[in-house]
Amino acid sequence: EAQVTQNPRYLITVTGKKLTVTCSQNMNHEYMSWYRQDPGLGLRQIYYSMNVEVTDKGDVPEGYKVSRKEKRNFPLILESPSPNQTSLYFCASSPTGTGETEAFFGQGTRLTVV
Amino acid sequence: AQSVTQLDSHVSVSEGTPVLLRCNYSSSYSPSLFWYVQHPNKGLQLLLKYTSAATLVKGINGFEAEFKKSETSFHLTKPSAHMSDAAEYFCVVNIYQAGTALIFGKGTTLSVSS
Repeated sequence: EAQVTQNPRYLITVTGKKLTVTCSQNMNHEYMSWYRQDPGLGLRQIYYSMNVEVTDKGDVPEGYKVSRKEKRNFPLILESPSPNQTSLYFCASSPTGTGETEAFFGQGTRLTVV
Repeated sequence: AQSVTQLDSHVSVSEGTPVLLRCNYSSSYSPSLFWYVQHPNKGLQLLLKYTSAATLVKGINGFEAEFKKSETSFHLTKPSAHMSDAAEYFCVVNIYQAGTALIFGKGTTLSVSS
């Protein structure tokens, strides 16, 4: 089954404790991205990757890191989480980053930083 | 600048009555447009997409949307609401500009009463 898999689904952590949210897709998509969803703000892009070893900042990259060492994986790293990073996070992939292709989303990771 | 405006943050309808969720976009490019639905505690599911082939687009679960370039609108409609349609709906523009592919509206919450 074609899918985007995020782990964990739920995470509660403390301020400053490094964490990684994993994302994997099995569709051989070139383009992957991370979004955060906050009430009343819709989804905002954190980082994206056009292909292996090619990543760039989205609209809200502060406090986050990513890497793309393999085509299928695109982990999101919070080196020193803070309470304002409490949010619902979605990973997405699409065949390319251009025009007509829709994105496929993971199930989301609900992160709480206390 | 590219943007998406969902004109209503919340829409309430009765079961069996029509649904209209409004979306306007701003784009310097020829956009691809999408509607996604998010049910509570679920990921995002693609409802339908417009990619310049036909201005009236039919999607899943009886939803459709019409692309009106002159009005820069892409409103989502359904003739008869069902209880299971209660969810949050996002209008999304996909434009390729320096790799930032998806721009989300802030969402419209649809409530359906019996």
